[in-house]
Amino acid sequence: SQTIHQWPVTLVQPVGSPLSLECTVEGTSNPNLYWYRQAAGRGLQLLFYSVGIGQISSEVPQNLSASRPQDRQFILSSKKLLLSDSGFYLCAYPLAAGEQFFGPGTRLTVL
Amino acid sequence: TQLLEQSPQFLSIQEGENLTVYCNSSSVFSSLQWYRQEPGEGPVLLVTVVTGGEVKKLKRLTFQFGDARKDSSLHITAAQPGDTGLYLCAGPSGNTPLVFGKGTRLSVIA
Repeated sequence: SQTIHQWPVTLVQPVGSPLSLECTVEGTSNPNLYWYRQAAGRGLQLLFYSVGIGQISSEVPQNLSASRPQDRQFILSSKKLLLSDSGFYLCAYPLAAGEQFFGPGTRLTVL
Repeated sequence: TQLLEQSPQFLSIQEGENLTVYCNSSSVFSSLQWYRQEPGEGPVLLVTVVTGGEVKKLKRLTFQFGDARKDSSLHITAAQPGDTGLYLCAGPSGNTPLVFGKGTRLSVIA
């Protein structure tokens, strides 16, 4: 069955610290993976998507970056976190008709 | 980018009541999806509507796609506390996989 693992579940980080969020997927042959952020009052925002190893497209310019080191692994990173980076980060992949299958998410709080 | 507006933003009702939430756009969508998200979890797909005027039922939930494919509604009959959550609509837009509305946060009080 299809499964997405996200790590860590919750994270509290000071402003200016680095970030690494991990997403791993199982049970799908679709190579496309997505990172979304859900912030209060702003809805779900697509941050990055990847169609394969080493291939990353950015939807929103910001201090975040993404990498796809392995087919089933998608990583979201930052060198220096901002307060505005706080939010709920979701990894997802597409189902047959383009719907999104979401992971459990990581709650990031930047203080 | 096509936008999806959801209303109401918040809704608090008593168990057993009926309710309708809306998802509207000025643009035509080839399809629209509805998700439910519970606190601390990722959204879960409920249904996809693809044909103008289409009505789909999922137990006590009825989803309708507008004839012009610019809007959709979700009607819940006899709401239960287990229906509590954030209801999101989404649709494909240009080169991005999906654009999401900001959601309707529903609270059903026992």
